[in-house]
Amino acid sequence: DAKTTQPNSMESNEEEPVHLPCNHSTISGTDYIHWYRQLPSQGPEYVIHGLTSNVNNRMASLAIAEDRKSSTLILHRATLRDAAVYYCIRSNTGNQFYFGTGTSLTVIP
Amino acid sequence: KAGVTQTPRYLIKTRGQQVTLSCSPISGHRSVSWYQQTPGQGLQFLFEYFSETQRNKGNFPGRFSGRQFSNSRSEMNVSTLELGDSALYLCASSPGHGMNTEAFFGQGTRLTVV
Repeated sequence: DAKTTQPNSMESNEEEPVHLPCNHSTISGTDYIHWYRQLPSQGPEYVIHGLTSNVNNRMASLAIAEDRKSSTLILHRATLRDAAVYYCIRSNTGNQFYFGTGTSLTVIP
Repeated sequence: KAGVTQTPRYLIKTRGQQVTLSCSPISGHRSVSWYQQTPGQGLQFLFEYFSETQRNKGNFPGRFSGRQFSNSRSEMNVSTLELGDSALYLCASSPGHGMNTEAFFGQGTRLTVV
């Protein structure tokens, strides 16, 4: 989705927090923001999603800007198993995902 | 609880042929969405089926079609294959339509067109 942009790659040291940014400047008021991650030879795996408020779950936190034009996925303590491609996604109907370009996260031991 | 099952995992077809891919969603899930993943275009939405009806369609030519059966299993068909159809085809299973809940993806079918 050309309207959802992410950095191509990021690096993090193991056990440090990681902030993965996403710009979705043309998001509509009813679009949800989802984050999924994908390991090689696997399908995408759910991480977190939200509409307006910040969200937390056991895997991560999602911080959504007040104007909703950007969001940040926060992994609180990166592990080697968190190395993956992370996709920021807009969803308007709930089942039709518009994927961003993805950020390849490298975790350095 | 079994996950999303896609068959076959790998396929090699010749230009001009047609292909059918299958997706079995998680038991109880009634929505199946299909995506195409290529290095150049990334992940793109193809279509969504819910209760045997196509609910949404992405920007793909009519050669790409699908259907859903009463047990929620879904198939997608690509006719008159082109080299550019080589991709990983993923399906995602969700409990319902328009719910904005977690979607579960299969491992995909890797289609190579030669």
